[in-house]
Amino acid sequence: QKEVEQNSGPLSVPEGAIASLNCTYSDRGSQSFFWYRQYSGKSPELIMSIYSNGDKEDGRFTAQLNKASQYVSLLIRDSQPSDSATYLCAVIVSGGSNYKLTFGKGTLLTVNP
Amino acid sequence: DVKVTQSSRYLVKRTGEKVFLECVQDMDHENMFWYRQDPGLGLRLIYFSYDVKMKEKGDIPEGYSVSREKKERFSLILESASTNQTSMYLCASSGPTGTEAFFGQGTRLTVV
Repeated sequence: QKEVEQNSGPLSVPEGAIASLNCTYSDRGSQSFFWYRQYSGKSPELIMSIYSNGDKEDGRFTAQLNKASQYVSLLIRDSQPSDSATYLCAVIVSGGSNYKLTFGKGTLLTVNP
Repeated sequence: DVKVTQSSRYLVKRTGEKVFLECVQDMDHENMFWYRQDPGLGLRLIYFSYDVKMKEKGDIPEGYSVSREKKERFSLILESASTNQTSMYLCASSGPTGTEAFFGQGTRLTVV
């Protein structure tokens, strides 16, 4: 089983809709969870981090974490064409003094005007 | 703002050459990472480091080595470049206890 899995997509939504991106992880010791956005030809940029169970909201973005189900999601409300990008889920697993940051393969989101 | 700088944006090397990719961060971060990114395969971790002179293998370390002599600099070394190492290479750094990681601009390496 891969360490971090994302719904493979691609995902296409109309402008103004809610986009829902999902991610599961295999290691129960995972402690930090991130969502990155990557535009074509660019490096990933951090958009959300979440460390405890529940929801975390930042503008149009909401991250949700359920450690019991080993599940983390990202909701994008009022989706805009500029949100069209690949979204990467990332998880940190602590191994004592080191912190391994592992990514899912990403979900390509297209927001249609 | 955190700044992570990779030495080259594009590189073309010949098969068998020794290749150095350099990464420097200016935020005194403990953790640094090297990934490669290929279409359909996502970001795959090659090596990471949690302190000076400390390194850990990631998921695909074969054919690579790393060096971290100073806290701000993490180098990826391809001992003998091969065509299957043609890829986008991304460096990232993060602070202690698993906080957010920030990426450099990436190096697109082509091995011919």
